[in-house]
Parts: sequence; C-alpha cells; structure tokens
Amino acid sequence: LAKTTQPISMDSYEGQEVNITCSHNNIATNDYITWYQQFPSQGPRFIIQGYKTKVTNEVASLFIPADRKSSTLSLPRVSLSDTAVYYCLDTNAGKSTFGDGTTLTVKP
Amino acid sequence: DAGVIQSPRHEVTEMGQEVTLRCKPISGHNSLFWYRQTMMRGLELLIYFNNNVPIDDSGMPEDRFSAKMPNASFSTLKIQPSEPRDSAVYFCASSYIFRTGGLGQGGGELFFGEGSRLTVL
Repeated sequence: LAKTTQPISMDSYEGQEVNITCSHNNIATNDYITWYQQFPSQGPRFIIQGYKTKVTNEVASLFIPADRKSSTLSLPRVSLSDTAVYYCLDTNAGKSTFGDGTTLTVKP
Repeated sequence: DAGVIQSPRHEVTEMGQEVTLRCKPISGHNSLFWYRQTMMRGLELLIYFNNNVPIDDSGMPEDRFSAKMPNASFSTLKIQPSEPRDSAVYFCASSYIFRTGGLGQGGGELFFGEGSRLTVL
C-alpha cells in the first residue's frame, strides 16, 4: 500500500469550514480511501471512508474525484476540539499505510 | 462497549530485557493489527492477523520482534532483547473485515487501543 501525500499543517479559526486535500497517486483499484483523526496520547480514530464520489456522515464529508488520485476531507464549522492530526490512507481490507498526516490547529 | 484494551499503558525497561505487550481486541472482530508510532517514523504497521493467523509480518523490524494471537480475544507483541531504539508507542487495532486479499470488501474501520508507551533505557 502506497503512502499518500498531504499538507504538513493547516490553521483555521473556530466556526470555519476546513478542507484538507490528499494525493493518492498510487492508489490501487481495490483500495478505499480512509481518513483518521488522532489526538495527542491517543490512538487514531476513524472519521470517514469512501471509494468514489461523495460520502457524508455526522462529522465530515469526503469528496473523491472520478480518477481517485485525490480526496478532500471537509470539516464543517470546526471548533477548538478539532485540533488534531488528520491522516488520509489507501486502505485494503483494513490494511492501511499511514503517512505523515496533517496537523490542524483551530484558533479561537 | 469495551474498546480495544492494551496493557501495560506504560513500560520502562532496560536494554536487553524482554518486553511483552498485550492486546484484547473488540469481541466479534476478526482482524488485529499492531502499529508502532515514533516522531521520526510516524505510524508503522508491524503485523496483522486475520482469524488469528498472521497475514503480513513484513513490517516487523527484525527477529527480536515476534507476535502471536493464540485466540480471537488475545494477542501479544514481544521484543527480546529490547533496545533503546525500540522506544515508541505501540498501538493495537482491531476490525471486522468481510473479505481479505486483493478484493477487500470495504476498507475495514480500524478501532485503536490507547497504546502502550515503551521506554527502553
């Protein structure tokens, strides 16, 4: 499973929508795209997963274009508690290779 | 619902000592993963099991590392002998995978434990 590419860090303010984009240049046909969130001293926590087009759940939306070479995680109206590291992964049957993640800092 | 349970949460040991980390996956899950996290290397997949059978151990750094899953509710990761460079947070994760291999039926949501922080002096 290939590692993905995403920005190292992003800043935002409370109440804003945050979009984090990830490159999946080596994604395989059978891979799904998955995003995790990690707080300090905790294990990663699943946010959302998709194969193509758009997926939405109670916390985020995931946009995947037709070529699946990228994905965008959208967090609506972030709060201070959304400050964390966000990972995008290519996933096959649970097996996932984590990249370096994006450190999102939400400011008041 | 109990999540993935790992023990110990913290371990400090001296170089050369044996270290055993333990994991209890979520009941009903059929896959278990061991990850290691360091500042330098990030999160690395060490090994994963499906139905208690090791499927891929290519991430295990060297022969000093071994992992077992004697039954569906228990797994261990052992380091013998330990070295300072093994200092890291070790995470266990479990999941229910509908199908393994190339045609994964969904990616499988991983549920991570709180981790075991290992310090080797």
